[in-house]
Amino acid sequence: KAGVTQTPRYLIKTRGQQVTLSCSPISGHRSVSWYQQTPGQGLQFLFEYFSETQRNKGNFPGRFSGRQFSNSRSEMNVSTLELGDSALYLCASSFDGGASGANVLTFGAGSRLTVL
Amino acid sequence: GNSVTQMEGPVTLSEEAFLTINCTYTATGYPSLFWYVQYPGEGLQLLLKATKADDKGSNKGFEATYRKETTSFHLEKGSVQVSDSAVYFCALNSGYSTLTFGKGTMLLVSP
Repeated sequence: KAGVTQTPRYLIKTRGQQVTLSCSPISGHRSVSWYQQTPGQGLQFLFEYFSETQRNKGNFPGRFSGRQFSNSRSEMNVSTLELGDSALYLCASSFDGGASGANVLTFGAGSRLTVL
Repeated sequence: GNSVTQMEGPVTLSEEAFLTINCTYTATGYPSLFWYVQYPGEGLQLLLKATKADDKGSNKGFEATYRKETTSFHLEKGSVQVSDSAVYFCALNSGYSTLTFGKGTMLLVSP
């Protein structure tokens, strides 16, 4: 059973550019969520998508956006990159991300973004 | 709001020593609790979970018990190995896929 696949694994951008990261969830999983990991702030929730709808959003500026396609694959986009956006971006999928919170999230290896 | 507090690391142990990593949480309602582990250059892997009070999660020799009265979910292992060296994250999920993580605790095990 294939895991969560994130592409690209590494990328370097300059300030002001934009970036798109991709995530393919485990087959059958309909919930995809995104997290940002930095040494200073740790792991922070960005947003979660279920059946192509954003269900929940963390406390990030509007430069951070995402979407989910009908096959559950998801993309996140960061526009007008800032140095502070340098981070490991982790995608996680779960079967339905149910309201109980008991669903297990399976994480991908992450996309490491460096902004120069 | 929800929050998770973990003991700061690094925790440095010799092989076969006993491990405890403390974790306490603040949350509304009855969250599920998790421990994830991150090896260098990799994403997060689920280590164990507990979904209700007094549940004990266990995996690969690691254990943690959901203590509602003390709002804690401490991670323990009786005998650590060099291969356990990693960063350990305590997390809670109070709904959907929104995990709240602790800052992480680095464990270094020497032979």
